[in-house]
Amino acid sequence: AQSVTQPDIHITVSEGASLELRCNYSYGATPYLFWYVQSPGQGLQLLLKYFSGDTLVQGIKGFEAEFKRSQSSFNLRKPSVHWSDAAEYFCAVGDLSYNTDKLIFGTGTRLQVFP
Amino acid sequence: EPEVTQTPSHQVTQMGQEVILRCVPISNHLYFYWYRQILGQKVEFLVSFYNNEISEKSEIFDDQFSVERPDGSNFTLKIRSTKLEDSAMYFCASAFRDSNQPQHFGDGTRLSIL
Repeated sequence: AQSVTQPDIHITVSEGASLELRCNYSYGATPYLFWYVQSPGQGLQLLLKYFSGDTLVQGIKGFEAEFKRSQSSFNLRKPSVHWSDAAEYFCAVGDLSYNTDKLIFGTGTRLQVFP
Repeated sequence: EPEVTQTPSHQVTQMGQEVILRCVPISNHLYFYWYRQILGQKVEFLVSFYNNEISEKSEIFDDQFSVERPDGSNFTLKIRSTKLEDSAMYFCASAFRDSNQPQHFGDGTRLSIL
């Protein structure tokens, strides 16, 4: 079955520290991969996406993610975290080879940033 | 930047009542979706809609649920007879094309069933 795993439920970092949020997927031929961010009481904002091509993708707010097919991973990174990055982060996967365009979401990682 | 807008932001309803959640997708988008997020859980797909018909629905989307695009701009989710377990945040999303275009989400409607 298709699935997305975000192993870290909660991560705490200091402001200015680097960040890596993990995402692993179990999917079909060519996944489409996304990271969304949800601030408290807000909707889901798209941070970045991977469809094909360069496996290192740049997103908004200084985030990047790298698609590693051999590891079935799409980890989100940021070199220096800002206090405003505190939010919940969701990895999501889509796969047209299953004749569907629904997104499968991970359970999310809550990021807390200390000053 | 164009946005998906959802109304109301919070809906409180008695169990057994009907509720309609409204969404205005981005104007040139052709694919529409509803997802829900029960408090503390992951975001789950409910239904996708294209060309005025449902293209896919999940197991959650039973006969109590229906979707409609009554005019050129609105996309609605109706729950016919609400249950306590329908309490959740409901997100509308839209996309210009399927799969190879990202889905853009609204801010959600928090539905509370009493």
